[in-house]
Amino acid sequence: SAVISQKPSRDICQRGTSLTIQCQVDSQVTMMFWYRQQPGQSLTLIATANQGSEATYESGFVIDKFPISRPNLTFSTLTVSNMSPEDSSIYLCSVETRVGTDTQYFGPGTRLTVL
Amino acid sequence: QKEVEQNSGPLSVPEGAIASLNCTYSDRGSQSFFWYRQYSGKSPELIMFIYSNGDKEDGRFTAQLNKASQYVSLLIRDSQPSDSATYLCAVSEGGGSEKLVFGKGTKLTVNP
Repeated sequence: SAVISQKPSRDICQRGTSLTIQCQVDSQVTMMFWYRQQPGQSLTLIATANQGSEATYESGFVIDKFPISRPNLTFSTLTVSNMSPEDSSIYLCSVETRVGTDTQYFGPGTRLTVL
Repeated sequence: QKEVEQNSGPLSVPEGAIASLNCTYSDRGSQSFFWYRQYSGKSPELIMFIYSNGDKEDGRFTAQLNKASQYVSLLIRDSQPSDSATYLCAVSEGGGSEKLVFGKGTKLTVNP
């Protein structure tokens, strides 16, 4: 596995503002993913963060709302833009440490509350 | 649409009993199957993965896969109160995709 950290661990934000969440891994990984977990729900994939190119978004998620950067093989950011209370959720990054295994490990998550 | 189904529970078992968690999936092309444990307020933790039909054992945990029936299960032997958590089943999308599809999870409570 890998050691994955996320910052911030939690935040309370005002409607209309934006928050950038950072995900740092202690080793180089090819695949990084961003998920959302709404209260009492399972995980929903937002996008795959691709190093050196634009992220690949899942149906229902768009770049203008959730811009993602992946400048290198150990770091990625997810921005939640123009937030509304419906964006209140836990945001998780995950990594696949061995290509082709589909095995993902999760960071500790960022708990976001939008007022 | 690819789906992963789990009983939401809650599943309640006494300490020392066997807990049985079940999962079915819709995509016959799926090749990899995972069980994650998620404690309240924490992120998912990978506890088991299985790729081939049959059983895979790791300590008190046994994962069982039946691709013909599109069914995967997790058995927890000698259940402990510390096993109380939500268990998420995840299945690879197949077709070379690295993505996982998650079930909604089964909440397990182990009573002392």
